Amino acid sequence: DQQVKQNSPSLSVQEGRISILNCDYTNSMFDYFLWYKKYPAEGPTFLISISSIKDKNEDGRFTVFLNKSAKHLSLHIVPSQPGDSAVYFCAASESGSARQLTFGSGTQLTVLP
Amino acid sequence: DVKVTQSSRYLVKRTGEKVFLECVQDMDHENMFWYRQDPGLGLRLIYFSYDVKMKEKGDIPEGYSVSREKKERFSLILESASTNQTSMYLCASSIRQMAYGYTFGSGTRLTVV
Repeated sequence: DQQVKQNSPSLSVQEGRISILNCDYTNSMFDYFLWYKKYPAEGPTFLISISSIKDKNEDGRFTVFLNKSAKHLSLHIVPSQPGDSAVYFCAASESGSARQLTFGSGTQLTVLP
Repeated sequence: DVKVTQSSRYLVKRTGEKVFLECVQDMDHENMFWYRQDPGLGLRLIYFSYDVKMKEKGDIPEGYSVSREKKERFSLILESASTNQTSMYLCASSIRQMAYGYTFGSGTRLTVV
């Protein structure tokens, strides 16, 4: 049973436009959420995170939104750049078990020039 | 620059061989993890360790074992490699509180023939 779901395996966006990547979770005990970016032949790198006490966190072009009642989070990239083309994974953890991250299956973002 | 180093980028092994995947981190992190990444399945946790000589099973431990004799080194062992263990293997480490997420290695692409 997947506790973290990314239902879109792929997304294509024009350069300069907004990219919106979505993630749903089922475990109501999750209270810390992260996004990772992965290029081919490299390990994932941390992008941005959000605690459940917030509903928004912003870092430059990247903003993560959390809707706890819907158990949904999204990553917005504005404006999108070709270098943003990568696989994006969302991940979640419980503070009481802060050693493990549960990952989604990933979304391949392609930003078209 | 902090690092998680995986000893091999690519490995080809025969069915039935015993395989060792090595991971070393230089950040004095308490927690270390082994994941495998497969298309459509995302990152799945195999084993993790939160201290020297400590280990805990993740979601898919069958066919694997681990060793953590020193804080900086976490080894994944495939006791008898099988073709369904062909995958990308990713090692990660984190501080105990995991406030900043994981730092990943670059991955080992293992092919079992």
